[in-house]
Amino acid sequence: EPEVTQTPSHQVTQMGQEVILRCVPISNHLYFYWYRQILGQKVEFLVSFYNNEISEKSEIFDDQFSVERPDGSNFTLKIRSTKLEDSAMYFCASSPGISGNTIYFGEGSWLTVV
Amino acid sequence: DAKTTQPTSMDCAEGRAANLPCNHSTISGNEYVYWYRQIHSQGPQYIIHGLKNNETNEMASLIITEDRKSSTLILPHATLRDTAVYYCIVCWFQGAQKLVFGQGTRLTINP
Repeated sequence: EPEVTQTPSHQVTQMGQEVILRCVPISNHLYFYWYRQILGQKVEFLVSFYNNEISEKSEIFDDQFSVERPDGSNFTLKIRSTKLEDSAMYFCASSPGISGNTIYFGEGSWLTVV
Repeated sequence: DAKTTQPTSMDCAEGRAANLPCNHSTISGNEYVYWYRQIHSQGPQYIIHGLKNNETNEMASLIITEDRKSSTLILPHATLRDTAVYYCIVCWFQGAQKLVFGQGTRLTINP
């Protein structure tokens, strides 16, 4: 069964450093998403991406964050100048967009900022 | 804010049916009801969705009331592996979706 894959599964970074989280969405899906979950809190929407541009973003997704689809398969989340409060599980997701639009999530990338 | 209300926690005996309720009284006519679950800190797993008719798949059944203001997710024969947080979410079916997760229901399956 097709699945969304994410790398790395866990990354530790120093405060102020830049981090790139990578995702391979399900093939032929058209919509891509990033969500995050701070430990013990709700899953929160960050951004949706369609046709090579951001379609919607939350208040959390400020100038510190950016997304990119550098090629036909990868979808990345870049976090510049990380802060302690960026420590969270980041989930990538994708949906078909046409014939049914169920969102499928990856297993997540756990980011720890120290 | 999430547009759904769910009990904080529930218990169910292994092998029995688990019935998880959800209230979504402000649902609009073209919003679907989706159910996801999250086991530990894994990625949310899609279970089932529906608009107004009852739905069934290999994982669960979804019963939506006629007025669409509430629904029930049924796991027919719960196993220990079904212990998870279950989220009921209403959203559009088309285009880019922004799922709004609430606190969900923490379902514990007891041996």
